[in-house]
Amino acid sequence: AQSVTQLGSHVSVSEGALVLLRCNYSSSVPPYLFWYVQYPNQGLQLLLKYTTGATLVKGINGFEAEFKKSETSFHLTKPSAHMSDAAEYFCAVSDRDTDKLIFGTGTRLQVFP
Amino acid sequence: DTGVSQNPRHKITKRGQNVTFRCDPISEHNRLYWYRQTLGQGPEFLTYFQNEAQLEKSRLLSDRFSAERPKGSFSTLEIQRTEQGDSAMYLCASSLEVGSYEQYFGPGTRLTVT
Repeated sequence: AQSVTQLGSHVSVSEGALVLLRCNYSSSVPPYLFWYVQYPNQGLQLLLKYTTGATLVKGINGFEAEFKKSETSFHLTKPSAHMSDAAEYFCAVSDRDTDKLIFGTGTRLQVFP
Repeated sequence: DTGVSQNPRHKITKRGQNVTFRCDPISEHNRLYWYRQTLGQGPEFLTYFQNEAQLEKSRLLSDRFSAERPKGSFSTLEIQRTEQGDSAMYLCASSLEVGSYEQYFGPGTRLTVT
C-alpha cells in the first residue's frame, strides 16, 4: 500500500531563510507525487507535482521539490521564505489506477519577521 | 473556469440529524472525489466518481454515508444520523481525466456535530 510520511508537524523559519519541508513515500510502483498548500479555512492548492521526467520540479510561489528514488523522498524547498508562505503543507502520493490521493499528516509552516 | 464550489461552507447540526453537502466540479471534469479532513490530519479519501458512476468507496464511508452524482455533474454527500465523530472538513475535488494527475479542490464544508 502507498503511504506518505511528513517529518515535522511544525516548522518555523525567519523571513528570508531557507524553507525545507520533508516528505518520504512508500510505493511499490513508480509514484506520482504532489505538494499541496492549505491556507486557513480554505481548500488545497497544488504547488507542484512529479509524474515522470525531470526529478527537480518547480512549482508556484518559488517552491521546488526533488524526487530522489534512492531515498524515497520528495522534499519541498524554497530559498527565501516570505510571510505569505505561512500555511499548512501536504505531501501526497497518487494511486495509479484511480488517481485518488493519499496524503501525509501535514506540516505547518510559520514564518517570523 | 470558476473552480470547484461547495455548499454550504459551514454546517452545524445536532447529533442524530441528517445533513447533505453539495459539490459543483469544474465544468467538463469527469472525475469527482470526496475527502474528509479532521483537525491536524491530512485529507482522507472517501469516494470518487467517473461521470455518474461511483467507482470506489473507502471503508471510512460507513452505511450512514451516501454519495451521488446524477448526470455526471454536481455531487451530493449525505450523512444520516450524524455522530460527533463526523465533525470534520469535507473536501471535494475534480479532475479532467484519468492520468491528468491534477485535482482541483473546493473550499470545503466544515461540519460541526453538537
